[in-house]
Amino acid sequence: KAGVTQTPRYLIKTRGQQVTLSCSPISGHRSVSWYQQTPGQGLQFLFEYFSETQRNKGNFPGRFSGRQFSNSRSEMNVSTLELGDSALYLCASSYREAGELFFGEGSRLTVL
Amino acid sequence: QKEVEQNSGPLSVPEGAIASLNCTYSDRVSQSFFWYRQYSGKSPELIMSIYSNGDKEDGRFTAQLNKASQYVSLLIRDSQPSDSATYLCAVNEGLDSSYKLIFGSGTRLLVRP
Repeated sequence: KAGVTQTPRYLIKTRGQQVTLSCSPISGHRSVSWYQQTPGQGLQFLFEYFSETQRNKGNFPGRFSGRQFSNSRSEMNVSTLELGDSALYLCASSYREAGELFFGEGSRLTVL
Repeated sequence: QKEVEQNSGPLSVPEGAIASLNCTYSDRVSQSFFWYRQYSGKSPELIMSIYSNGDKEDGRFTAQLNKASQYVSLLIRDSQPSDSATYLCAVNEGLDSSYKLIFGSGTRLLVRP
């Protein structure tokens, strides 16, 4: 069974640009969550989607947005990038119990 | 601001010893508790979940939960060098936010051969 797939794995952007990250969950998983991981702040919750509906959102500015498609694939978008947005963005899917997450390998974003 | 606290370590134990990792949380209504392991340069992987007070054992791992003390722990018996990693404690945020996890900053475990 294929795991959670995230693309791209690495990307470099400059301040002010925008970026879109993609996530394909494990087949049959309908919940997709996004987390930001930085050395200083650790893992922080961005948002969670289930059946194309955002059920929860973390304490991030409106520049961070996401969506989920009918096939459970998800995208997140960050507009007007800032240096502080440099981080590892992790997508995770879940089948049954909330919190029993399967993480993808992440998309490492560097903002110059 | 709901928090999950862990000692950052490193916790250094000899091979074959018991490693004890601890976590406290601030949200009294949290219902679900998880331990994730993260190797350097890799993404977190779930190793234990616990929902009720008491102990839960899975192989060499035992999770312990005490909701009254707002305390979760993970014991690793017969520690192996391959257990060297960062262990993240995660707690769901409240009754109505069960799909949102708050992670601790992690405890780095080093198992010496």
